[in-house]
Amino acid sequence: DAGITQSPRHKVTETGTPVTLRCHQTENHRYMYWYRQDPGHGLRLIHYSYGVKDTDKGEVSDGYSVSRSKTEDFLLTLESATSSQTSVYFCAISENLAEQFFGPGTRLTVL
Amino acid sequence: GESVGLHLPTLSVQEGDNSIINCAYSNSASDYFIWYKQESGKGPQFIIDIRSNMDKRQGQRVTVLLNKTVKHLSLQIAATQPGDSAVYFCAESSNTGNQFYFGTGTSLTVIP
Repeated sequence: DAGITQSPRHKVTETGTPVTLRCHQTENHRYMYWYRQDPGHGLRLIHYSYGVKDTDKGEVSDGYSVSRSKTEDFLLTLESATSSQTSVYFCAISENLAEQFFGPGTRLTVL
Repeated sequence: GESVGLHLPTLSVQEGDNSIINCAYSNSASDYFIWYKQESGKGPQFIIDIRSNMDKRQGQRVTVLLNKTVKHLSLQIAATQPGDSAVYFCAESSNTGNQFYFGTGTSLTVIP
């Protein structure tokens, strides 16, 4: 998985609780992305980062925030989880806006 | 927003036959396209890419064809093997943005 890890790999939480997912890379790539994958929708971009402390919204950013304080770490936070945020979350990295390398995914269930 | 779609959600082929997976896109400004393979329980893996200044690119057993006139691309897999069974996604982006837009995927099943 090109030096990308995600943690946790699985999480079950309750509605209204905060959740933070972590993406860690060892490739020193500039760009990092968070996607969610749902049946019938494919991969949809939540947020992305183009450098330390530089982030921008994707097409489904409502209810999510991100932070990137170091090149290697990109955190995705659900401030107050809802059942509609039950999904599989993938982190990806890219050096030059071309090929993206994906992590193994985090399966999140919000009850 | 962008619209990237696939013609067929599922495809079954006999082992050894060639597979063709299609993808349509709607943004005429898209200039870079990628095909990904995703096996069950794993993240997508890069297969092959193509830029809009090309209409064909070949890799190992795979070929991507791009038809900008009708905004269509296809992935051809030669001599399909059981290990090729997976979901295949196309993704597109334009040089004016930092984002990729993904299709919903085609599930390829290879019959031994």
